[in-house]
Amino acid sequence: SYVLTQPPSVSVAPGRTARITCGGDNIGSKSVHWYQQEPGQAPVVVIHSDSDRPSGIPERFSGSNSGNTATLTISRVEAGDEADYYCQVWEGSGDYVVFGGGTKLTVL
Amino acid sequence: QVQLQESGPGLVKPSQTLSLTCTVSGGSINSGIYYWSWIRQPAGKGLEWIGRIYVSGRPNYNPSLKNRVTMSGDTSKNQFSLNLSSVTAADTAFYFCAGGDYYGLVHFWGPGTLVTVSS
Repeated sequence: SYVLTQPPSVSVAPGRTARITCGGDNIGSKSVHWYQQEPGQAPVVVIHSDSDRPSGIPERFSGSNSGNTATLTISRVEAGDEADYYCQVWEGSGDYVVFGGGTKLTVL
Repeated sequence: QVQLQESGPGLVKPSQTLSLTCTVSGGSINSGIYYWSWIRQPAGKGLEWIGRIYVSGRPNYNPSLKNRVTMSGDTSKNQFSLNLSSVTAADTAFYFCAGGDYYGLVHFWGPGTLVTVSS
């Protein structure tokens, strides 16, 4: 089955740039979505279709996807960005959705 | 705005069947716009997609769960449901119902409901 690999944790100082990766076999050929989840809450999509940002999501959030790695980039990180982040794809050959294991972003 | 609400027992005994229902408001499950999914999350762990149904088509299930999962929809009540058989403690989790598109992008989430498997 298709596997998405994320680092368990990423730490960044306020004002710096955080990059969260999502690795998968030829993931560049798939459409990647990114979710932010705060404790006790349902996830919220921050980037969809590799790099599209829903309305209401700050421009500081951006995404890219190429080869075997998709990346969520958060610029000028704020304390409020501290949360868990998950990548997700649709595995069309098997007709199922796959989530990455999640990355806990800590703002130092 | 579509809203979702999960309902069902919060406690299930091992080896029994976990049954949950998701009630949809603000939109019809029969509209053909969205795919209706179940996603779960053990406390402190990551998200796991369970499966989805669509108004006209066969359900899609997570390969790791497909032998135990059944999903269905009730258009008269605007609800869809999850049955997970032969549960063990490993099935203890928050269960979310969700609505999304073909590529799995979730547009709407229910608040989630905790199901504990214990005797």
